[in-house]
Amino acid sequence: DVKVTQSSRYLVKRTGEKVFLECVQDMDHENMFWYRQDPGLGLRLIYFSYDVKMKEKGDIPEGYSVSREKKERFSLILESASTNQTSMYLCASSLGAEGAREQYFGPGTRLTVT
Amino acid sequence: QQPVQSPQAVILREGEDAVINCSSSKALYSVHWYRQKHGEAPVFLMILLKGGEQKGHEKISASFNEKKQQSSLYLTASQLSYSGTYFCGTADNYGQNFVFGPGTRLSVLP
Repeated sequence: DVKVTQSSRYLVKRTGEKVFLECVQDMDHENMFWYRQDPGLGLRLIYFSYDVKMKEKGDIPEGYSVSREKKERFSLILESASTNQTSMYLCASSLGAEGAREQYFGPGTRLTVT
Repeated sequence: QQPVQSPQAVILREGEDAVINCSSSKALYSVHWYRQKHGEAPVFLMILLKGGEQKGHEKISASFNEKKQQSSLYLTASQLSYSGTYFCGTADNYGQNFVFGPGTRLSVLP
């Protein structure tokens, strides 16, 4: 079974702090994704990566950056956290292009910025 | 552009059937369906590719109407375990520009 893990289930940070969310997958998938989930809005794509050191902006990249130094690890960085970034963050991976193959999700990190 | 899902929410009794619709204004290559139970990660149910095929997964099946750019998820004889939020996701151009819909909350009562 594919396993996608995220570094924290719950995180509380202060406004202006730099925040790192880590995601690791164990199935050698090329593609990895970061989503944020808010009530009524579904899952919105922040960034995705189709290879090591490669990244593409999703629908809502503002205020975020990403890093993929190794194939199995994809990090989401909030350079200066703000209260409107309080949300559930979900990482996913897939074998093919984002709409061509199924995505496997991690358990999520609920981030609260105070 | 985010696909539209209907209804936004539905409440059923065990054993009843339900249909969830997903429609898009763009030409689609694929439609995905995922289910997310409360407090858990979304789980993949099925993918339908351009060609109008129908797929099944236990008592859950789906169709894809390419002409209408619409997919429907059919839940037959619903069970308590079917409760959760169902998301469709759509992609165009051989799997690009993938975007999730806002979700449909399904509650199955005993």
